[in-house]
Amino acid sequence: KAGVTQTPRYLIKTRGQQVTLSCSPISGHRSVSWYQQTPGQGLQFLFEYFSETQRNKGNFPGRFSGRQFSNSRSEMNVSTLELGDSALYLCASSQATGGGTEAFFGQGTRLTVV
Amino acid sequence: AQSVTQLGSHVSVSEGALVLLRCNYSSSVPPYLFWYVQYPNQGLQLLLKYTSAATLVKGINGFEAEFKKSETSFHLTKPSAHMSDAAEYFCAVSDPGTYKYIFGTGTRLKVLA
Repeated sequence: KAGVTQTPRYLIKTRGQQVTLSCSPISGHRSVSWYQQTPGQGLQFLFEYFSETQRNKGNFPGRFSGRQFSNSRSEMNVSTLELGDSALYLCASSQATGGGTEAFFGQGTRLTVV
Repeated sequence: AQSVTQLGSHVSVSEGALVLLRCNYSSSVPPYLFWYVQYPNQGLQLLLKYTSAATLVKGINGFEAEFKKSETSFHLTKPSAHMSDAAEYFCAVSDPGTYKYIFGTGTRLKVLA
Protein backbone atom coordinates (compact mmCIF):
# COMPACT_ATOMS: atom_id res chain seq x y z
CA LYS A 1 0.00 0.00 0.00
CA ALA A 2 1.52 3.31 -1.01
CA GLY A 3 2.07 5.88 1.71
CA VAL A 4 1.29 9.57 1.77
CA THR A 5 3.01 11.33 -1.10
CA GLN A 6 3.92 14.99 -0.99
CA THR A 7 5.25 16.95 -3.91
CA PRO A 8 7.55 18.64 -4.38
CA ARG A 9 10.04 17.66 -1.67
CA TYR A 10 11.92 20.94 -1.83
CA LEU A 11 10.98 24.42 -2.95
CA ILE A 12 12.76 27.75 -3.00
CA LYS A 13 10.58 30.81 -3.50
CA THR A 14 11.04 34.54 -3.33
CA ARG A 15 9.22 36.81 -0.90
CA GLY A 16 5.90 37.91 -2.31
CA GLN A 17 5.43 34.91 -4.55
CA GLN A 18 2.82 32.23 -4.03
CA VAL A 19 3.26 28.49 -3.76
CA THR A 20 1.11 25.37 -4.06
CA LEU A 21 1.95 22.13 -2.31
CA SER A 22 0.36 18.81 -3.13
CA CYS A 23 -0.55 15.78 -1.03
CA SER A 24 -1.84 12.39 -2.14
CA PRO A 25 -3.24 10.43 0.81
CA ILE A 26 -3.20 6.71 1.38
CA SER A 27 -5.83 5.00 -0.72
CA GLY A 28 -9.13 4.91 1.12
CA HIS A 29 -8.27 7.71 3.53
CA ARG A 30 -10.73 10.57 3.35
CA SER A 31 -9.16 12.90 5.91
CA VAL A 32 -6.16 15.04 5.05
CA SER A 33 -4.50 17.40 7.50
CA TRP A 34 -1.67 19.88 7.04
CA TYR A 35 0.92 20.92 9.60
CA GLN A 36 3.71 23.46 9.58
CA GLN A 37 6.93 22.50 11.35
CA THR A 38 9.53 25.08 12.33
CA PRO A 39 12.35 24.95 14.88
CA GLY A 40 10.83 27.75 16.90
CA GLN A 41 7.13 26.83 16.88
CA GLY A 42 7.25 23.08 16.46
CA LEU A 43 4.35 21.33 14.77
CA GLN A 44 1.37 23.56 14.23
CA PHE A 45 -1.97 22.53 12.76
CA LEU A 46 -2.99 24.36 9.59
CA PHE A 47 -6.26 22.73 8.51
CA GLU A 48 -8.07 19.46 8.02
CA TYR A 49 -10.27 18.30 5.15
CA PHE A 50 -12.70 15.44 4.98
CA SER A 51 -14.63 14.57 1.84
CA GLU A 52 -13.76 17.93 0.25
CA THR A 53 -14.94 19.93 3.28
CA GLN A 54 -12.70 21.87 5.60
CA ARG A 55 -13.67 20.80 9.09
CA ASN A 56 -11.18 22.83 11.07
CA LYS A 57 -8.60 25.50 10.57
CA GLY A 58 -5.65 26.46 12.73
CA ASN A 59 -4.56 29.90 13.75
CA PHE A 60 -2.86 31.00 10.54
CA PRO A 61 -3.46 34.08 8.39
CA GLY A 62 -5.74 33.95 5.38
CA ARG A 63 -2.69 33.70 3.10
CA PHE A 64 -2.75 30.01 3.93
CA SER A 65 -5.50 28.11 2.18
CA GLY A 66 -6.24 24.61 1.09
CA ARG A 67 -8.63 22.40 -0.74
CA GLN A 68 -9.42 18.76 -1.23
CA PHE A 69 -10.52 17.08 -4.40
CA SER A 70 -13.04 14.30 -4.92
CA ASN A 71 -10.22 11.72 -5.02
CA SER A 72 -9.09 12.96 -1.56
CA ARG A 73 -5.92 14.54 -2.91
CA SER A 74 -5.26 17.87 -1.27
CA GLU A 75 -3.40 21.04 -2.04
CA MET A 76 -2.38 23.90 0.14
CA ASN A 77 -1.57 27.35 -1.13
CA VAL A 78 0.40 30.13 0.47
CA SER A 79 0.13 33.54 -1.14
CA THR A 80 2.36 36.57 -0.69
CA LEU A 81 5.15 34.52 0.86
CA GLU A 82 7.06 35.90 3.82
CA LEU A 83 10.45 34.84 5.13
CA GLY A 84 8.75 33.37 8.18
CA ASP A 85 6.86 30.92 6.01
CA SER A 86 10.06 28.93 5.56
CA ALA A 87 9.25 25.57 7.11
CA LEU A 88 8.66 21.90 6.59
CA TYR A 89 5.04 21.39 5.59
CA LEU A 90 3.67 18.00 6.49
CA CYS A 91 0.57 16.36 5.20
CA ALA A 92 -1.15 13.56 7.10
CA SER A 93 -3.95 11.25 6.07
CA SER A 94 -6.25 9.11 8.15
CA GLN A 95 -9.47 7.21 7.95
CA ALA A 96 -10.84 9.59 10.58
CA THR A 97 -13.32 7.10 11.88
CA GLY A 98 -12.75 8.06 15.49
CA GLY A 99 -10.56 9.91 17.92
CA GLY A 100 -8.08 7.07 18.17
CA THR A 101 -7.39 6.90 14.47
CA GLU A 102 -3.74 7.34 13.75
CA ALA A 103 -2.48 9.79 11.17
CA PHE A 104 0.04 8.75 8.56
CA PHE A 105 2.47 11.44 7.51
CA GLY A 106 4.19 12.18 4.26
CA GLN A 107 7.86 13.10 4.03
CA GLY A 108 7.01 16.75 3.82
CA THR A 109 7.79 19.65 1.55
CA ARG A 110 10.69 21.83 2.65
CA LEU A 111 9.84 25.41 1.66
CA THR A 112 12.54 28.05 1.75
CA VAL A 113 11.56 31.66 1.20
CA VAL A 114 14.37 34.02 0.24
CA ALA B 1 -8.21 22.43 25.96
CA GLN B 2 -5.97 19.46 25.45
CA SER B 3 -2.22 19.83 25.62
CA VAL B 4 0.93 17.76 25.75
CA THR B 5 4.19 18.48 27.57
CA GLN B 6 7.45 16.75 26.81
CA LEU B 7 10.10 17.15 29.47
CA GLY B 8 13.60 17.45 28.10
CA SER B 9 14.21 18.75 24.62
CA HIS B 10 17.42 16.73 24.41
CA VAL B 11 18.18 13.33 25.91
CA SER B 12 21.45 11.43 25.58
CA VAL B 13 21.89 7.76 26.40
CA SER B 14 24.63 5.24 25.84
CA GLU B 15 24.11 2.45 23.38
CA GLY B 16 22.49 -0.45 25.26
CA ALA B 17 21.11 1.77 28.01
CA LEU B 18 17.47 2.34 28.89
CA VAL B 19 15.63 4.99 26.91
CA LEU B 20 13.02 7.03 28.79
CA LEU B 21 11.25 9.92 27.09
CA ARG B 22 8.65 11.75 29.13
CA CYS B 23 5.23 12.94 28.10
CA ASN B 24 2.46 14.42 30.22
CA TYR B 25 -0.95 15.30 28.89
CA SER B 26 -3.77 17.53 29.90
CA SER B 27 -7.20 16.44 28.84
CA SER B 28 -10.69 16.81 30.17
CA VAL B 29 -11.80 13.59 28.51
CA PRO B 30 -10.14 10.18 28.10
CA PRO B 31 -7.34 10.95 25.69
CA TYR B 32 -6.06 9.23 22.61
CA LEU B 33 -2.28 9.42 22.81
CA PHE B 34 0.43 8.76 20.25
CA TRP B 35 4.19 8.65 19.96
CA TYR B 36 5.77 9.54 16.63
CA VAL B 37 9.41 9.47 15.55
CA GLN B 38 11.02 11.76 13.00
CA TYR B 39 14.36 11.09 11.33
CA PRO B 40 16.23 13.99 9.68
CA ASN B 41 14.46 15.40 6.64
CA GLN B 42 11.65 12.88 6.98
CA GLY B 43 8.02 12.91 7.98
CA LEU B 44 6.63 11.47 11.19
CA GLN B 45 6.34 7.73 11.69
CA LEU B 46 3.92 6.25 14.20
CA LEU B 47 5.61 4.29 16.99
CA LEU B 48 2.55 3.41 19.05
CA LYS B 49 -0.84 4.65 20.18
CA TYR B 50 -3.05 4.44 23.25
CA THR B 51 -6.77 4.16 22.76
CA SER B 52 -7.85 2.83 26.19
CA ALA B 53 -7.67 -0.86 25.27
CA ALA B 54 -4.60 -1.53 27.45
CA THR B 55 -2.47 0.72 29.62
CA LEU B 56 0.82 -0.80 28.44
CA VAL B 57 1.20 -0.31 24.73
CA LYS B 58 3.83 -1.99 22.63
CA GLY B 59 5.03 -0.37 19.47
CA ILE B 60 7.53 -0.85 16.72
CA ASN B 61 11.31 -1.11 17.09
CA GLY B 62 11.07 -2.36 20.67
CA PHE B 63 9.43 0.76 22.09
CA GLU B 64 6.57 0.72 24.55
CA ALA B 65 4.65 3.24 26.59
CA GLU B 66 2.54 3.06 29.71
CA PHE B 67 -0.57 5.13 30.22
CA LYS B 68 -0.89 6.30 33.83
CA LYS B 69 -4.07 8.20 34.43
CA SER B 70 -3.16 9.15 38.00
CA GLU B 71 0.01 10.81 36.78
CA THR B 72 -1.45 12.01 33.44
CA SER B 73 1.62 10.53 31.81
CA PHE B 74 2.43 8.47 28.75
CA HIS B 75 6.20 7.97 28.89
CA LEU B 76 8.03 6.15 26.12
CA THR B 77 10.63 3.52 26.97
CA LYS B 78 12.97 1.10 25.30
CA PRO B 79 15.09 -1.33 27.33
CA SER B 80 18.22 -1.06 25.22
CA ALA B 81 19.09 1.87 22.98
CA HIS B 82 20.49 1.32 19.52
CA MET B 83 22.39 3.81 17.41
CA SER B 84 19.54 3.77 14.91
CA ASP B 85 17.16 5.14 17.58
CA ALA B 86 18.77 8.57 17.30
CA ALA B 87 15.95 10.81 16.11
CA GLU B 88 13.36 13.26 17.35
CA TYR B 89 10.36 11.91 19.20
CA PHE B 90 6.98 13.57 19.48
CA CYS B 91 4.15 12.82 21.85
CA ALA B 92 0.70 13.80 20.59
CA VAL B 93 -2.91 13.79 21.68
CA SER B 94 -5.77 13.70 19.25
CA ASP B 95 -8.71 16.00 19.64
CA PRO B 96 -11.68 14.31 18.00
CA GLY B 97 -13.78 17.42 18.38
CA THR B 98 -11.47 19.49 16.23
CA TYR B 99 -10.02 16.71 14.04
CA LYS B 100 -6.45 17.65 14.83
CA TYR B 101 -3.43 16.33 16.65
CA ILE B 102 -1.74 18.42 19.30
CA PHE B 103 1.97 17.74 19.45
CA GLY B 104 4.51 18.20 22.16
CA THR B 105 7.64 20.18 21.43
CA GLY B 106 9.65 17.05 20.77
CA THR B 107 12.64 15.33 22.37
CA ARG B 108 15.80 14.80 20.40
CA LEU B 109 17.41 11.51 21.37
CA LYS B 110 21.14 11.09 20.98
CA VAL B 111 22.68 7.64 21.34
CA LEU B 112 26.33 7.55 22.36
CA ALA B 113 28.63 4.75 21.25
